[in-house]
Parts: sequence; structure tokens; C-alpha cells
Amino acid sequence: DIQMTQSPSTLSASIGDRVTITCRASQSIGSWLAWYQQKPGKAPKLLIYKASSLESGVPSRFSGSGSGTEFTLTISSLQPDDFATYHCQQYDNYWTFGQGTKVEIK
Amino acid sequence: QITLKESGPTLVKPRQTLTLTCSFSGFSLSTSGMGVGWIRQPPGKALEWLALIYWNDDKRYSPSLESRLTITKDTSKNQVVLTMTNMDPVDTGTYHCAHSRREFYYGSGTRHWFDTWGQGTLVTVSS
Repeated sequence: DIQMTQSPSTLSASIGDRVTITCRASQSIGSWLAWYQQKPGKAPKLLIYKASSLESGVPSRFSGSGSGTEFTLTISSLQPDDFATYHCQQYDNYWTFGQGTKVEIK
Repeated sequence: QITLKESGPTLVKPRQTLTLTCSFSGFSLSTSGMGVGWIRQPPGKALEWLALIYWNDDKRYSPSLESRLTITKDTSKNQVVLTMTNMDPVDTGTYHCAHSRREFYYGSGTRHWFDTWGQGTLVTVSS
């Protein structure tokens, strides 16, 4: 099984902050990584696929980078709508998720 | 526009079998490349992939849960059904279905990931 580890688990930030979330894979997964945003009681929303490809309709303040075992999701300027939980997911071998990172208001 | 919605019991007893239905629109599971998966999330814990079925009836199961899971499709009804046997309180959580997107990459083959999810249905396992 490929394990995915996100850090931090919780992140406190203010509007306009640059926010970075890290996701590490237990073995190399190439670029086969997606990022999702989830709000309470809602469906996860795809933000990024193939590590750095922005899903259609997603604001350009979201970006992804990395390959192999280390990946990052960056929000360049945090907006009120961005307070949510973010999940990474590998799809190199089956599908496994990180434990999530909650972005909360500072 | 692709939409998915999960339905099923909100409460099951230990050792019972859970049957969940995913009803979708905006695509057909008879179309080459299409797939629907199930993912669950216990309260306060990580998302966990359970199963996926493709347009050609090929199926994939989580190795840790494979003995308890069955996924089927009814193309005429635009539905996918997941059954999970021998339910336990640790299986309590929100169960989502999701559409899988397929893309082919030269040198890496075909890859699938989940691009549209249903809101989920909360299942509690308790006597």
C-alpha cells in the first residue's frame, strides 16, 4: 500500500496569506497526484490533477507542484472561500488519500 | 454536467450487509472510459477508497476490504450499487460515490482519478 502523509494537519491563516500544504508519498508515485477541497457536509472538489494541472474553473491562486514522493499545494492569496479541508490523493497504484489539512481562520 | 447522489440506509446493525446506490447523470457507464468509484470517510478520519467499476465491467477493490465488497452497475438505470457485508461500528462514516476521469499518457498508460463526487450519505453502524 502507498501511504500518503499530509502536513500540517491544521493550518491557521489570514485573508491574503500565502498558504502551502505538503503531501508525502511512502514511495515514488511519479506525478500521479490530485488535490481536493472539501467543506463540511459537501462533496470534495477537484482542484489539481497530475500534480500541477489546474482543474477547469478552479481559481488560478491554487497551484500544485512536485513529483516522486513530495508534493505541495499552494494558495497564493487566501480568500474567505478557501477555508476548508484539503486532501491529497495518489492514483499511481489504486487510490489512497492523505489525512487532510484543515485551513482555518487565524 | 455530471452529478452523483448516494442513497441507502442511515443505520445498520453489526453483522448486517450494507447496500448503497449511486444514481448519476451527465454521463453513461456504457461509454468507453467511464468509471464510478466509492470512497468513505469515518468521522474525523481520512478518506478511504473502497471500489471502482469501469464501463467494461472491470472492477477494482481495496485489497484490505475486498472480501467484503461487491460493486455492480445497472447501465439502463444509470446506477452503481455497492454492497458491504459483515458491517461493524468501525465502518461508520460518510460514503461517497464519484465519477472517474480517464486520460492516456504516452509512456505511462491510462490513469484514472475522481473528478466529480456526490455529497455522500452518512451510515451509522450500531445495535
